[in-house]
Amino acid sequence: EIVLTQSPGTLSLSPGERATLSCRASQSVSSSYLAWYQQKPGQAPRLLIYGASSRATGIPHRFSGSGSGTDFTLTISRLEPEDFAVYYCQQFGSSPTTFGGGTKVEIK
Amino acid sequence: EVQLVESGGGLVKPGGSLRLSCAASGFTFSRYAMNWVRQAPGKGLEWVSLISSTSTYIYYADSVKGRFTISRDNAKNSLYLQMNSLRAEDTAVYYCVREFSGYPTSYWGQGTLVTVSS
Repeated sequence: EIVLTQSPGTLSLSPGERATLSCRASQSVSSSYLAWYQQKPGQAPRLLIYGASSRATGIPHRFSGSGSGTDFTLTISRLEPEDFAVYYCQQFGSSPTTFGGGTKVEIK
Repeated sequence: EVQLVESGGGLVKPGGSLRLSCAASGFTFSRYAMNWVRQAPGKGLEWVSLISSTSTYIYYADSVKGRFTISRDNAKNSLYLQMNSLRAEDTAVYYCVREFSGYPTSYWGQGTLVTVSS
């Protein structure tokens, strides 16, 4: 199975700062099947990015995704207070689907 | 509006059984594969099982294979997860999730908590 490693584990930033989250795969992942989710306490994950770089419905433009092969990045251009949460990457091009361990973006 | 509502969670002793249900509405249930994904307290997301739209294909994570059984009833727009021989490490919130796709939407239920403890 494809292992997704997210880094850093925790990112301490202030509102207005830029956040850069990494997701590295143990083998190549088709960009079409790489997604990013945001999860807040007590809530189900919310899709942010699909196809590695396309924003999901209703997602603000400050969220962007990039990458290919084994290295993918989620960037939040300017953190808003509501962006402090845990972020997961997922691949579903290879069975079984797998998730990264998550990156927590916390207020500094 | 797409809705997925899980039920059936609760407290069960190690070795016990539990059946989760997921009621789907707002879309043509019979056209979509469905998943169960779980999340242990304070931990990340773990895919558990997948069932194709007509139940032809079924897959399980190694951690639950032989103990859990996924099924669906398209006439009732419902998804199920029969969990047997439960272990402490099965303690988690279980989410019902519509098939993962390359589309700009993703649908998850609110989750149901399963606690395995004596």
